[in-house]
Amino acid sequence: DQQVKQNSPSLSVQEGRISILNCDYTNSMFDYFLWYKKYPAEGPTFLISISSIKDKNEDGRFTVFLNKSAKHLSLHIVPSQPGDSAVYFCAAMNAGNMLTFGGGTRLMVKP
Amino acid sequence: GAGVSQTPSNKVTEKGKYVELRCDPISGHTALYWYRQSLGQGPEFLIYFQGTGAADDSGLPNDRFFAVRPEGSVSTLKIQRTERGDSAVYLCASSTGDANIQYFGAGTRLSVL
Repeated sequence: DQQVKQNSPSLSVQEGRISILNCDYTNSMFDYFLWYKKYPAEGPTFLISISSIKDKNEDGRFTVFLNKSAKHLSLHIVPSQPGDSAVYFCAAMNAGNMLTFGGGTRLMVKP
Repeated sequence: GAGVSQTPSNKVTEKGKYVELRCDPISGHTALYWYRQSLGQGPEFLIYFQGTGAADDSGLPNDRFFAVRPEGSVSTLKIQRTERGDSAVYLCASSTGDANIQYFGAGTRLSVL
């Protein structure tokens, strides 16, 4: 039973436009959510996070939105750049412990 | 400072052999995590150390898998009698223990032939 799901395996966006990556979860006990970015042959790199007591967190071009009632979060990247092309993982945490990851979304930003 | 270091970066072994994978966390990080990532999937939790002790080993798939962290820093993941299904990238992460962000190493790609 997947507790964190990323339903879009891939996403293609034109440079300069907005990229929206989505993530759904089922466990209402999750209290902290993170987005990681992964390039081939590298480990996941932390991007941005949000606590369950907030509904938005912004860091430069990256914004994460959390809708607790819908158990849904999204990552917005604007404007998208070719260097953003990577696999993005959504992850959730309960009580500051292990991370539960989604399956990832491959983002391709076309010049 | 240096990030999380994992060695070897690649390991090829034969079915039935024993392997050890090493993780050197960020200096001062008390919490250390092991995850396994199979092709096309997200990382899956294996085990979590707080200091020297395994605080949560619920993700270890069976008793062929074992991990230690004897001095509260470097950790070794040990796999006995490897099987082809153990082939995956094994990721290590560390955190300060009182913060939620985990920092990952580049992983060890294990191939069991």
